[in-house]
Amino acid sequence: DTAVSQTPKYLVTQMGNDKSIKCEQNLGHDTMYWYKQDSKKFLKIMFSYNNKELIINETVPNRFSPKSPDKAHLNLHINSLELGDSAVYFCASSQLGGYNEQFFGPGTRLTVL
Amino acid sequence: KNEVEQSPQNLTAQEGEFITINCSYSVGISALHWLQQHPGGGIVSLFMLSSGKKKHGRLIATINIQEKHSSLHITASHPRDSAVYICAVLGEVTDKLIFGTGTRLQVFP
Repeated sequence: DTAVSQTPKYLVTQMGNDKSIKCEQNLGHDTMYWYKQDSKKFLKIMFSYNNKELIINETVPNRFSPKSPDKAHLNLHINSLELGDSAVYFCASSQLGGYNEQFFGPGTRLTVL
Repeated sequence: KNEVEQSPQNLTAQEGEFITINCSYSVGISALHWLQQHPGGGIVSLFMLSSGKKKHGRLIATINIQEKHSSLHITASHPRDSAVYICAVLGEVTDKLIFGTGTRLQVFP
């Protein structure tokens, strides 16, 4: 059984479009994250949610809006996509915050044309 | 300068060699994670440690809090160990992971 799943795996879209990436975890974890991996493979946190509540919001443009309908899901909606948004986006989850092992989803490769 | 620096950036080895990857950080931390990113892109957590040493199979991770340094060792390396190894520290105050730039390891038969 997949622990952390993301859909879609690949997303190719035009500049200016709005798109969503979905994430679900079946591990019963309280904390979920979104990370962005740029073209140089550098990972950086974007958001962290604990029990549906936003805990960490890095200096991410407000075109990015995470939504957590329940503690097993954390979706990422991106408005008005720009070329610089092209990256791989990873969802992850852990028990109660960063002081625990994090389990990563397979990643979503977003390409903005 | 990144808050988390890894060395070397790239590493090649022959099967069977002992591998060491280093991580130095400049911020106060409450824990340090070692992650492995497979050639296919998936990321797996290898270790989370806040002191001393941990061992899983052929992998050993150590941390020296005073020196702000951690090492990941791989004994008897194998081609299937080829991956990018990423060090990430959990900020003491911020409770968020700060990642190093990764070390790309290739092990040849």
